[in-house]
Amino acid sequence: EIVLTQSPGTLSLSPGERATLSCRASQSVNNNYLAWYQQKPGQAPRLLIYGASTRATGIPDRFSGSGSGTDFTLTISRLEPEDSAVYYCQQYGGSLYTFGQGTKLAIK
Amino acid sequence: QVQLQESGPGLVKPSGTLSLTCAVSGGSISSSNWWSWVRQPPGKGLEWIAEIYHSGSTNYSPSLKSRVTISLDKSKNQFSLKLNSVTAADTAVYYCAREGIQNAFDIWGQGTLVTVSS
Repeated sequence: EIVLTQSPGTLSLSPGERATLSCRASQSVNNNYLAWYQQKPGQAPRLLIYGASTRATGIPDRFSGSGSGTDFTLTISRLEPEDSAVYYCQQYGGSLYTFGQGTKLAIK
Repeated sequence: QVQLQESGPGLVKPSGTLSLTCAVSGGSISSSNWWSWVRQPPGKGLEWIAEIYHSGSTNYSPSLKSRVTISLDKSKNQFSLKLNSVTAADTAVYYCAREGIQNAFDIWGQGTLVTVSS
């Protein structure tokens, strides 16, 4: 089973700044089947990025994903107050899904 | 626009069986998608539980496999989860989700809180 480790655990930034969130896998992620989700309190997760770098429908271009193999990054440029949330990475491989533990992003 | 809606008891006794259903609307459960259950204990992260395809093929999380059954009912356009021998550690918000492109969960239900307590 592939373990995903996200860093940092918590991030506090100001509006307009850039956020860089990391997701590291214990083994190479097959076909780069790596996704990112945003979750706000009391809400279901929302898909942001799939295939490591493709934005999901309706996701602003401020959100971008990159990486391959074992190291992946979610970048949020020009932070807005509504970006405050917990962000999770998720991988699929060997008929199993695993999630990272999440990064909490606070907007000052 | 496909939508998912979870339903089931919000309270289950320890050692009992948790049973939830996810109703699919705006689309067919027989489409070329897999369907999953994901849970989230209060204040914690996401944990994938199981998935099913309209053919009846299933996959389970190794850590829960011995206690979980996922099934589907094409006539009602819904799929279900059963988790037996529950303990307080199974208290969580349970989500149903659709697996889309490259096995990302593109559509989620709003989630239902299940508490295990006597």
